[in-house]
Amino acid sequence: DAKTTQPPSMDCAEGRAANLPCNHSTISGNEYVYWYRQIHSQGPQYIIHGLKNNETNEMASLIITEDRKSSTLILPHATLRDTAVYYCIGHQGGKLIFGQGTELSVKP
Amino acid sequence: ETGVTQSPTHLIKTRGQQVTLRCSSQSGHNTVSWYQQALGQGPQFIFQYYREEENGRGNFPPRFSGLQFPNYSSELNVNALELDDSALYLCASSSQRINTEAFFGQGTRLTVV
Repeated sequence: DAKTTQPPSMDCAEGRAANLPCNHSTISGNEYVYWYRQIHSQGPQYIIHGLKNNETNEMASLIITEDRKSSTLILPHATLRDTAVYYCIGHQGGKLIFGQGTELSVKP
Repeated sequence: ETGVTQSPTHLIKTRGQQVTLRCSSQSGHNTVSWYQQALGQGPQFIFQYYREEENGRGNFPPRFSGLQFPNYSSELNVNALELDDSALYLCASSSQRINTEAFFGQGTRLTVV
């Protein structure tokens, strides 16, 4: 399982795009990158995952570099409800290895 | 709402006691994983159950044990509780198809006094 590195905290203005980086230089070739977020005292919420192509869903976009050593989660129009801890996770199979995540604060 | 339900939501136990936490998986999911989240930390993988058998375990002692039932619901049992077992315990359900997402319940907050 890849070790991931994220900045401990970030701020974003409401309505602006939030770009959350993640380094996963030890990721293996068939290991997907997953993003989850956790709002205080709730269970983690799945956001998006990808292997090597960029992905987009109703919540976010995921940009993975060509060498797959890093990725960026983009919340296109952040709202106050997006304030949470965001986890970038590499895994094979069902075991998710969480790091410390990035605490995103969306400010009015 | 993920369809994953955990009970109870909160629990207070005394050191040395035993506790059982329960999880109902999302419809169509046959795999349940358990995580422990201490205050201020990311969730730590305890173990996973698939088809009623343990299918992977993290760095937790044997006093952490589990069960999965034919309807894919699961229990986490912790014996000889220690103060450091105080944490949020999370259950996640998924299918065994490769690289699908896991859906988490809201967790059980266990306090050991």
